[in-house]
Amino acid sequence: QKEVEQNSGPLSVPEGAIASLNCTYSDRVSQSFFWYRQYSGKSPELIMSIYSNGDKEDGRFTAQLNKASQYVSLLIRDSQPSDSATYLCAVNPTGGFKTIFGAGTRLFVKA
Amino acid sequence: DVKVTQSSRYLVKRTGEKVFLECVQDMDHENMFWYRQDPGLGLRLIYFSYDVKMKEKGDIPEGYSVSREKKERFSLILESASTNQTSMYLCASSLSGRGTGEKLFFGSGTQLSVL
Repeated sequence: QKEVEQNSGPLSVPEGAIASLNCTYSDRVSQSFFWYRQYSGKSPELIMSIYSNGDKEDGRFTAQLNKASQYVSLLIRDSQPSDSATYLCAVNPTGGFKTIFGAGTRLFVKA
Repeated sequence: DVKVTQSSRYLVKRTGEKVFLECVQDMDHENMFWYRQDPGLGLRLIYFSYDVKMKEKGDIPEGYSVSREKKERFSLILESASTNQTSMYLCASSLSGRGTGEKLFFGSGTQLSVL
């Protein structure tokens, strides 16, 4: 089992819809969770971090964390074509330097 | 803004060559990392450093070494390049010290092709 798993997609949504991206992780003691966005040919950039159970909202983005289910998700409201990218889920275990990445989910937002 | 600069965007080398990938960050970050990114596999950690002259192996260190002589510079060395090291190499840095899950700032990447 991979340490961080994501559906590779592609996930295709129409403009204005909600895009829902999901991620599961295997290390039960993990404490820090991140979503990075990576445009084609570019490097990843952080868009959300979440550390406690529940929802965290930032503009059109909402990160959701459920530690009991070892599940992290990212919701993108009012999706725009400019949101088309690969979204990487990342987990940093407690006390560690290593950030472990999922393989990413490709999102296409159709105009 | 934090800037992480990788010396080359594209690099073509021959099998058996010694290859140096350089990375410099300008924000006095403690931690620096080298990842490689391959389709379907995501980012995999090769080596990281949490202090000058300190280094630790990541998940796939075989065939690689690193050097951190100055805080701002972290070099990845392929002692004898092989075709299976053809990949996108990403350098990253993060601010704080041991044990905190800080955000990573990435360089623009080096696409290395080994022929």
